Amino acid sequence: DVKVTQSSRYLVKRTGEKVFLECVQDMDHENMFWYRQDPGLGLRLIYFSYDVKMKEKGDIPEGYSVSREKKERFSLILESASTNQTSMYLCASSKDRGKGTQYFGPGTRLTVL
Amino acid sequence: AQKVTQAQTEISVVEKEDVTLDCVYETRDTTYYLFWYKQPPSGELVFLIRRNSFDEQNEISGRYSWNFQKSTSSFNFTITASQVVDSAVYFCALTRGTTSGTYKYIFGTGTRLKVLA
Repeated sequence: DVKVTQSSRYLVKRTGEKVFLECVQDMDHENMFWYRQDPGLGLRLIYFSYDVKMKEKGDIPEGYSVSREKKERFSLILESASTNQTSMYLCASSKDRGKGTQYFGPGTRLTVL
Repeated sequence: AQKVTQAQTEISVVEKEDVTLDCVYETRDTTYYLFWYKQPPSGELVFLIRRNSFDEQNEISGRYSWNFQKSTSSFNFTITASQVVDSAVYFCALTRGTTSGTYKYIFGTGTRLKVLA
């Protein structure tokens, strides 16, 4: 079974802090994705990566950056957290240049005070 | 624009009723993939089905069935004889090609299904 893990289930940070969300997958997938989920808006893609050190902006990249130094790990970085970044963050991975099934981690609920 | 519309925000049914969740999509791509995911209260999205644009055959898996119609750009999901464990948020998703040759998902806003005992 594919396993996607995220470093924290719940996180509370203060405005202006730098925040790191970590995601690890164990199935050697090329593609990894970061989404945020907000009520009434569904899942929105922040960034994705289709190879080590490769990244591409999603639909809402502002205020975020990512890092993929190793194939199995994809990090989402909030350079200076703001209250409007309070959300559920979901990581996913897939094969086949992204058209394959995406497998999701359990999510990190981030609260920015 | 490419998008996925799930017009039903929330549906409540009584156990053993059948229920259909609607998904309508728009795309310019000739090759694309459609998905349904389930998000139970625990929060983790669970994959249910993947369908490519060239395969319009309907699919049945136990109490679940899917009806894909390109003519109406719809990919509807039916649960027969619903159970309380079916209570969840269900998302429909569509792939979209990118300039880098990869694919991204576009998700609908989800339908919350409540099955009452």
